[in-house]
Amino acid sequence: DAKTTQPNSMESNEEEPVHLPCNHSTISGTDYIHWYRQLPSQGPEYVIHGLTSNVNNRMASLAIAEDRKSSTLILHRATLRDAAVYYCILRSNSNSGYALNFGKGTSLLVTP
Amino acid sequence: EAQVTQNPRYLITVTGKKLTVTCSQNMNHEYMSWYRQDPGLGLRQIYYSMNVEVTDKGDVPEGYKVSRKEKRNFPLILESPSPNQTSLYFCASRGDRANTGELFFGEGSRLTVL
Repeated sequence: DAKTTQPNSMESNEEEPVHLPCNHSTISGTDYIHWYRQLPSQGPEYVIHGLTSNVNNRMASLAIAEDRKSSTLILHRATLRDAAVYYCILRSNSNSGYALNFGKGTSLLVTP
Repeated sequence: EAQVTQNPRYLITVTGKKLTVTCSQNMNHEYMSWYRQDPGLGLRQIYYSMNVEVTDKGDVPEGYKVSRKEKRNFPLILESPSPNQTSLYFCASRGDRANTGELFFGEGSRLTVL
């Protein structure tokens, strides 16, 4: 899988939107962009994924740049429960190992 | 409720004493895998299984064994645990055949080997 780059940490106020960036300049045409998050003392949790078009679900939105070299996970109204480490991961059908390359992720702090 | 269940959640053991961490999923998923999480190293895949009786090594398989005799269960076996296997372990499963589907993770098993 191609490499992703994320800021180590970000901070947000409760009930405000949060934009978590991810750079993936070496992304290939078959790579899907996945986001997972890991709450304290829990296993990773799927958030959203996309290929080319922007995606929305009940948890978040994913905005993908036109050249696909970057993407942004958007939490529309951060809550204290959203404090977690967020991982941006590229996944390809051609990856025979099937392992998720989590990297270090972005640690999101949400303050009341 | 759809879930991946691991047991035990916490275990302290001694070097050389064989142990098994069980993993069970109730979603009829074909794909299952094991990860370990260590500070500074992130999550690394140990073994994975594409279906019953089909298993393969991940990135860090040394010192571990797995088996997949039934679709729902994927136990992780440490035949002779050593202190460097002290870690937080996660089991995961995925339903679709594509490599791009959502992974469901268990809550983790924290293992300490003295």
